[in-house]
Amino acid sequence: SAVISQKPSRDICQRGTSLTIQCQVDSQVTMMFWYRQQPGQSLTLIATANQGSEATYESGFVIDKFPISRPNLTFSTLTVSNMSPEDSSIYLCSARTGGKGHTEAFFGQGTRLTVV
Amino acid sequence: AQKVTQAQTEISVVEKEDVTLDCVYETRDTTYYLFWYKQPPSGELVFLIRRNSFDEQNEISGRYSWNFQKSTSSFNFTITASQVVDSAVYFCALTPYRGYQKVTFGTGTKLQVIP
Repeated sequence: SAVISQKPSRDICQRGTSLTIQCQVDSQVTMMFWYRQQPGQSLTLIATANQGSEATYESGFVIDKFPISRPNLTFSTLTVSNMSPEDSSIYLCSARTGGKGHTEAFFGQGTRLTVV
Repeated sequence: AQKVTQAQTEISVVEKEDVTLDCVYETRDTTYYLFWYKQPPSGELVFLIRRNSFDEQNEISGRYSWNFQKSTSSFNFTITASQVVDSAVYFCALTPYRGYQKVTFGTGTKLQVIP
C-alpha cells in the first residue's frame, strides 16, 4: 500500500494569488494524478503527473492555470494560479502502484481551498 | 469510455435501519476494478473496498456488504444496522485493470442517518 500526505490540508486565499499543493507518497509509485472536487460535486481528473515530463491534462484544464511538477517517483505539486472564487474546491492527489496488470489506487486526504 | 451512475442523490434513514446504495457502471474493458469510497464531512476520501471484475463473490466486512453482479453491471453497497457515523457521501468508482489509468467516479450518494 501507499500512504499519501498532502499539504496544506486547507487554505483560504485571496483572488488573484496562487497556491501550490504538495503531495508526498511514502513509496515510489508509477503514476500520480490530481483531481478536483467542486462543492457538492464528484471528483474530476485535472491531469496525470508524469515523472520527468510534462503533465497530461484533461479536457477543460490547462497548464497555465494548473501547472504540475513531478520531480521524482514520490512527490508532485499542483499549483492553482490566478485564483478566483470558482476555484474553491477540494483538490486530491492520487497515486497508482503495483506490478504489471495489478494496480491499486490511493488518495491523499485532500486540500480544501477557499478563494475569497 | 467509462461511466459510473449512482442514481440516488440523497438517502435518509433512521438509525439501525439497513440501507443499500446503488451503483451501475459502463465500460468496454473486459477486466476492471470497482471501488467504494466514503467521504465524511471532513472531506477526506476513505477507501472501503476494491473488487476485481473477475471475482464475483460478494463480500461482507462487519456491517458492510457488497453485491457485485457483472451480468447487470452493478456493484451495490449495503450498510446493515446503520449508525450516525455512517453519515457521509459515498462514491462508487471504476478503473481499467491493466495500465495506470484514471479512476472514474460516480456522482456520489449522500447518506444521512438520523438518530
